[in-house]
Amino acid sequence: EVQLVESGGGLVQPGGSLRLSCAASGFTFSSYEMNWVRQAPGKGLEWVSYISSSGSTIYYADSVKGRFTISRDNAKNSLYLQMNSLRAEDTAVYYCARDLGEPRAFDIWGQGTMVTVSS
Amino acid sequence: EIVLTQSPGTLSLSPGERATLSCRASQSVSSSYLAWYQQKPGQAPRLLIYGASSRATGIPDRFSGSGSGTDFTLTISRLEPEDFAVYYCQQYGSSHMYTFGQGTKLEIK
Repeated sequence: EVQLVESGGGLVQPGGSLRLSCAASGFTFSSYEMNWVRQAPGKGLEWVSYISSSGSTIYYADSVKGRFTISRDNAKNSLYLQMNSLRAEDTAVYYCARDLGEPRAFDIWGQGTMVTVSS
Repeated sequence: EIVLTQSPGTLSLSPGERATLSCRASQSVSSSYLAWYQQKPGQAPRLLIYGASSRATGIPDRFSGSGSGTDFTLTISRLEPEDFAVYYCQQYGSSHMYTFGQGTKLEIK
């Protein structure tokens, strides 16, 4: 079964850091581009970051640029999101999502992990 | 940055009726880069349509997508009880960023 499972969410103080992980199974992880998408409570979807299959190409939303770092370990079938200098507005469910490539769309999503930034 | 505006914000219909959801872009979008998702409460989004009109794997044929340029439409031909959810359009732009519309809530009338 094709699956993505996120972990690492939790409660963190403003200014703190957190590292999210996404474990992939059921497909050749190293062949796929990946993304992180977040959803604040009661709000819509917001794309956060993209990484190419090799990890050589990375993009970020302006709202997280300079604070978040996306990475991957193809040997471990894992995707990561290092989040630093966290703010209250980063509070959201964070999803990892597999990219179809061309055409562009996200065909497989994890169940999400909740990040709460609060003192 | 391309902004996607979905309308209506909420659509109230009955099972068996036809639903038409709109997604309008602030600039022209390549049809290859326009997708639609369904999200139910407490669940992750599910890909319905990619490339503006291609159904994703396992999606019933009552779901169809159309449009080009700045105007795109998701149509559900005959609503089933399980179709009541929030729907998002998404685009991929030349700046290598994805953006989502704000969503349309499809509720039971």
